[in-house]
Amino acid sequence: GNSVTQMEGPVTLSEEAFLTINCTYTATGYPSLFWYVQYPGEGLQLLLKATKADDKGSNKGFEATYRKETTSFHLEKGSVQVSDSAVYFCALWAGGTSYGKLTFGQGTILTVHP
Amino acid sequence: GAGVSQSPRYKVAKRGQDVALRCDPISGHVSLFWYQQALGQGPEFLTYFQNEAQLDKSGLPSDRFFAERPEGSVSTLKIQRTQQEDSAVYLCASSSGGARDNQPQHFGDGTRLSIL
Repeated sequence: GNSVTQMEGPVTLSEEAFLTINCTYTATGYPSLFWYVQYPGEGLQLLLKATKADDKGSNKGFEATYRKETTSFHLEKGSVQVSDSAVYFCALWAGGTSYGKLTFGQGTILTVHP
Repeated sequence: GAGVSQSPRYKVAKRGQDVALRCDPISGHVSLFWYQQALGQGPEFLTYFQNEAQLDKSGLPSDRFFAERPEGSVSTLKIQRTQQEDSAVYLCASSSGGARDNQPQHFGDGTRLSIL
């Protein structure tokens, strides 16, 4: 079946540090890949997405590149801010008969200190 | 409002009681999804509606779980004879496209269900 594995958290960084959150996936076919963010007390928000191999999704300074050869979609940001503190989820949509449902990783808690 | 609205935000019930959780999707959205999020875990798919048709209920954990969307807009997730393992956050999401359109899913803030 389809699955998503994220790096273990929590991740704690100082402001302006470089961020990487690893994500690898297992899926048949050619899935679309997503990063969602959940700020404290709020619902999930789509951060960025990529729909085919070598696509780069980007938003709010975050980037992730769809690497089919390594089945990865690592999230990066060059300089984090305190306001980036949240839980980050990697997810995939397998298409086909999956009726649009998303398969999520377990989430990575990010805390950024001033 | 403009977003997906879920109610109640918090629900506490005693084991064995029935509960009903409501989701108001974004107006006009065709697709509606329910997910269950256990503490410290990612959301897991429960069921999917395209308009009023329930096309996928493969994620419902038992026959105690039932969902409906009778008029193709508001949806209700019902859990009968609740058990402690049902304690979780229940998320609703909607999207403008159909099942195979890969349109973004917009999530509500969820209902946190606690079973005592």
